[in-house]
Amino acid sequence: DAMVIQNPRYQVTQFGKPVTLSCSQTLNHNVMYWYQQKSSQAPKLLFHYYDKDFNNEADTPDNFQSRRPNTSFCFLDIRSPGLGDAAMYLCATSMGGLRDKSYEQYFGPGTRLTVT
Amino acid sequence: AQKVTQAQTEISVVEKEDVTLDCVYETRDTTYYLFWYKQPPSGELVFLIRRNSFDEQNEISGRYSWNFQKSTSSFNFTITASQVVDSAVYFCALSEALSQGGSEKLVFGKGTKLTVNP
Repeated sequence: DAMVIQNPRYQVTQFGKPVTLSCSQTLNHNVMYWYQQKSSQAPKLLFHYYDKDFNNEADTPDNFQSRRPNTSFCFLDIRSPGLGDAAMYLCATSMGGLRDKSYEQYFGPGTRLTVT
Repeated sequence: AQKVTQAQTEISVVEKEDVTLDCVYETRDTTYYLFWYKQPPSGELVFLIRRNSFDEQNEISGRYSWNFQKSTSSFNFTITASQVVDSAVYFCALSEALSQGGSEKLVFGKGTKLTVNP
């Protein structure tokens, strides 16, 4: 009964070689988020989708892109990974919809990315 | 800008001890939400609690309790009779509304690593 699924759990890529991380959800939530968490640091939001609308954080590098082909799936593309991009990448979903109400974000297990 | 401070980087206790994790936040919003998440070694963030700014009632859930004090901008988390399985990193977070209504981001503190020794 997994709700937010991330594949793969561990990903090794070479310096400069494009990589795609995958997230899917069974919750039918309209908001999907991608967070980056470097070692011993707090998660930091990269961007999110509200339905099909993409919202980038101001300080997210151009190297990071995202796609959401449908409600259930969201992808994180790293065009040219550098050593500094090694991190845990967490996908989360929430209901969204009401500005005066906050819904908890449900997190997936994360994908740990290693760049060699 | 929103900010969350967890001053305790690491805490180590012996099983059955009570432990309190501190969280102090800064926000200019009058309506906001506070969260606690647990991150075990496996890496997944597990939701523990959500509290809105208008509800200062303390909450208890089993061995977990939360003390929200708006006057001191604190939202502390206490584990009673700690167990080895409580060992994890605990994050306090504050929601920040994003430009589009209905979505928000979580601003996390740096986390407190709790180790419960047998």
